[in-house]
Amino acid sequence: AQSVTQLDSQVPVFEEAPVELRCNYSSSVSVYLFWYVQYPNQGLQLLLKYLSGSTLVKGINGFEAEFNKSQTSFHLRKPSVHISDTAEYFCAVSDQRGSQGNLIFGKGTKLSVKP
Amino acid sequence: GAGVSQSPSNKVTEKGKDVELRCDPISGHTALYWYRQSLGQGLEFLIYFQGNSAPDKSGLPSDRFSAERTGGSVSTLTIQRTQQEDSAVYLCASRQDWGSYNEQFFGPGTRLTVL
Repeated sequence: AQSVTQLDSQVPVFEEAPVELRCNYSSSVSVYLFWYVQYPNQGLQLLLKYLSGSTLVKGINGFEAEFNKSQTSFHLRKPSVHISDTAEYFCAVSDQRGSQGNLIFGKGTKLSVKP
Repeated sequence: GAGVSQSPSNKVTEKGKDVELRCDPISGHTALYWYRQSLGQGLEFLIYFQGNSAPDKSGLPSDRFSAERTGGSVSTLTIQRTQQEDSAVYLCASRQDWGSYNEQFFGPGTRLTVL
């Protein structure tokens, strides 16, 4: 079984400041890793994913994440945030075995960007 | 080229009533997933469909929950004898299930309120 821990439930930050949202996972098998964003009253949108290869992955809206296998982490970063980045961010994993592909999510981190 | 659609967008029901939630996946997507998003539990996987069959129903919380998919397309999630703890946003996602890993696309969700 897999589990995902997002260490911060809320992260307040000022506009144009850098931000890091932390994610750690636990799994006995290899997993794919994802970050999703949910804007207020909207569905989930994929920000970025790690499947294989380079451990630094870049996504939409200037976000990037780094896969660290030894620390079982997949932290999300942005060097300069905007008001429009205010949203809830979810880290997720999916078992690489087979083709089922259902996602196991963390509890989410609410990012609040203040002017 | 429409995305995943769900209906109704909001449903208010009385405790003990049955409800049906509908999901229209992206055309051609063979894999379909139901998730539940609630304040206490976060985002939980409910059930996975491959075509019309459901090889994994492990996330369904009780035997009051059932789901079916017909024609490899539309899916219906049914909750019988609703309880207040069933109040949540029910999300549907679909994915192309061939080749390398493909992204899950989420619908906007159905917000269920059980009074």
